[in-house]
Amino acid sequence: AQKVTQAQTEISVVEKEDVTLDCVYETRDTTYYLFWYKQPPSGELVFLIRRNSFDEQNEISGRYSWNFQKSTSSFNFTITASQVVDSAVYFCALSEPGTNDYKLSFGAGTTVTVRA
Amino acid sequence: IAGITQAPTSQILAAGRRMTLRCTQDMRHNAMYWYRQDLGLGLRLIHYSNTAGTTGKGEVPDGYSVSRANTDDFPLTLASAVPSQTSVYFCASSDWDTGGYGYTFGSGTRLTVV
Repeated sequence: AQKVTQAQTEISVVEKEDVTLDCVYETRDTTYYLFWYKQPPSGELVFLIRRNSFDEQNEISGRYSWNFQKSTSSFNFTITASQVVDSAVYFCALSEPGTNDYKLSFGAGTTVTVRA
Repeated sequence: IAGITQAPTSQILAAGRRMTLRCTQDMRHNAMYWYRQDLGLGLRLIHYSNTAGTTGKGEVPDGYSVSRANTDDFPLTLASAVPSQTSVYFCASSDWDTGGYGYTFGSGTRLTVV
């Protein structure tokens, strides 16, 4: 069963628009960690954020913000006032230390294209 | 070396040939992983190692083998490559057991099997 679902395959926006990426996860553990990674066209994986299951506070980092809701098993990511440099593939991922030896399970990714 | 080094960066390989993808880390992380990335499927775990001397199978282990003779190196071997193994391969390590709760990824190896 897919542990992390990113339902949006591709999103295309015009520069300065906001874009929200959805992530829904599935776990039976009470302790788990959620991640977002960015993969720009150059191909490397860039770490964006880690959130543990006990911290439901939303977080903002510059133009990036994350909304973690345990009640709906979602960890959504919003880019405010998007820029062309935000064009990338974004991955949501889940780690369940109690059951899977810290292995990281990835969603399929959402490709974001920001047009000038 | 800083972080994880993967080699080669890219490779074109004839079907049926044997190939070893190299991965070396200099952070003394205990756990290491191999993922493959395919369009529309994200990154899928091939094999992992929680500590030197131990390995385990991930989600898509068939056709691949790994070894972990020491902490730093975690090579991935394709015994007889097939076109379906065309992919981008990422090696990673993690420092969970030292409280870091994070992952470090290599730059990837782009493999084309023809």
